[in-house]
Amino acid sequence: DTGVSQDPRHKITKRGQNVTFRCDPISEHNRLYWYRQTLGQGPEFLTYFQNEAQLEKSRLLSDRFSAERPKGSFSTLEIQRTEQGDSAMYLCASSVGGAGASYEQYFGPGTRLTVT
Amino acid sequence: KNEVEQSPQNLTAQEGEFITINCSYSVGISALHWLQQHPGGGIVSLFMLSSGKKKHGRLIATINIQEKHSSLHITASHPRDSAVYICAAMNRDDKIIFGKGTRLHILP
Repeated sequence: DTGVSQDPRHKITKRGQNVTFRCDPISEHNRLYWYRQTLGQGPEFLTYFQNEAQLEKSRLLSDRFSAERPKGSFSTLEIQRTEQGDSAMYLCASSVGGAGASYEQYFGPGTRLTVT
Repeated sequence: KNEVEQSPQNLTAQEGEFITINCSYSVGISALHWLQQHPGGGIVSLFMLSSGKKKHGRLIATINIQEKHSSLHITASHPRDSAVYICAAMNRDDKIIFGKGTRLHILP
């Protein structure tokens, strides 16, 4: 257990439905990252937050995806009008952050999404 | 060409063998992660290094910044080491670029 939790662990939904995932980072970590991993591939960056500010979004994050971190603690990732191509493992990671140095990221267990 | 390349993609070995997984990257980095992912998806960070060599138990990670190359070694491999090992380069904005992973299977 790394201290980063994600909920739910598994989600099966029908195409066209909306889904929301939650990530609770390690409490003193001000950076929070979302990644997506499809079968047989390495994870890919989606977006990250420094406290409550969303600092970067990948091109992978279409307008059906939105992420929030309203109080700089937990974060949610919502996918609207899900498509079968959204089926993947959604991973969250957190770290201490700051300019000029690199800090280790701690990963949550992931949420596996299956869109039928 | 991916910015982070790993080799081999798959590796099967007998228990006790010395294992080497290689990682080459083409981007400027501030640090490099080696990660372990077991079936079920959870990722554990094994090492984060920016120079030289680190050792933890039977695991050793090395990095050569000039050659943009890193290796992960496992000594006296054991079936419980079977997992996917992922090399991930952290750029200067702390964004991680992942390799596709090396699937390791250790036979008893």
